[in-house]
Amino acid sequence: KAGVTQTPRYLIKTRGQQVTLSCSPISGHRSVSWYQQTPGQGLQFLFEYFSETQRNKGNFPGRFSGRQFSNSRSEMNVSTLELGDSALYLCASSRGPNTEAFFGQGTRLTVV
Amino acid sequence: KNEVEQSPQNLTAQEGEFITINCSYSVGISALHWLQQHPGGGIVSLFMLSSGKKKHGRLIATINIQEKHSSLHITASHPRDSAVYICAVAGYNTDKLIFGTGTRLQVFP
Repeated sequence: KAGVTQTPRYLIKTRGQQVTLSCSPISGHRSVSWYQQTPGQGLQFLFEYFSETQRNKGNFPGRFSGRQFSNSRSEMNVSTLELGDSALYLCASSRGPNTEAFFGQGTRLTVV
Repeated sequence: KNEVEQSPQNLTAQEGEFITINCSYSVGISALHWLQQHPGGGIVSLFMLSSGKKKHGRLIATINIQEKHSSLHITASHPRDSAVYICAVAGYNTDKLIFGTGTRLQVFP
């Protein structure tokens, strides 16, 4: 069965632009979580969605937003990009809370 | 102090050696995950534990809930085991993971 698919895999944006990243979970999974990975801060939690509802949000500024659609696909958006937003953005899907999580390959965002 | 601490940060081994990576946490959890990340970024889930011990091939994971401690063991290590191993914990009724800083393992032939 297909794994978690993140698109695009690589992205280069200019400061001040906005970006939208997409995550398609494994079929039948209703929970999607997003994480940011940087060399300095490691892996940090961004959002958690279950059945189109945001259940949790990490400690990130309001420029970071997300949503989940009725087919469980999720998007996250970062507006007014800053150099510090350069990171690997990972999403993970699961059947629901406290079940095994499956990660996508990530989207590597570079802000110049 | 981080909520999830891993040790060691870096580990070098010769092929065939027995390897142990440790994880301690300070928060209440419903489950602990061991993850593997290869260069290039993709993360693979190795184990999800809420008690006791699990084994998959040459990998063994244990957890002691009372002591808030987990270990990942690799028996008969191989160069293909070279990766970053990450411990992460989940609270109750949530998929939100809190991560350790990872252990970079290099296994030489």
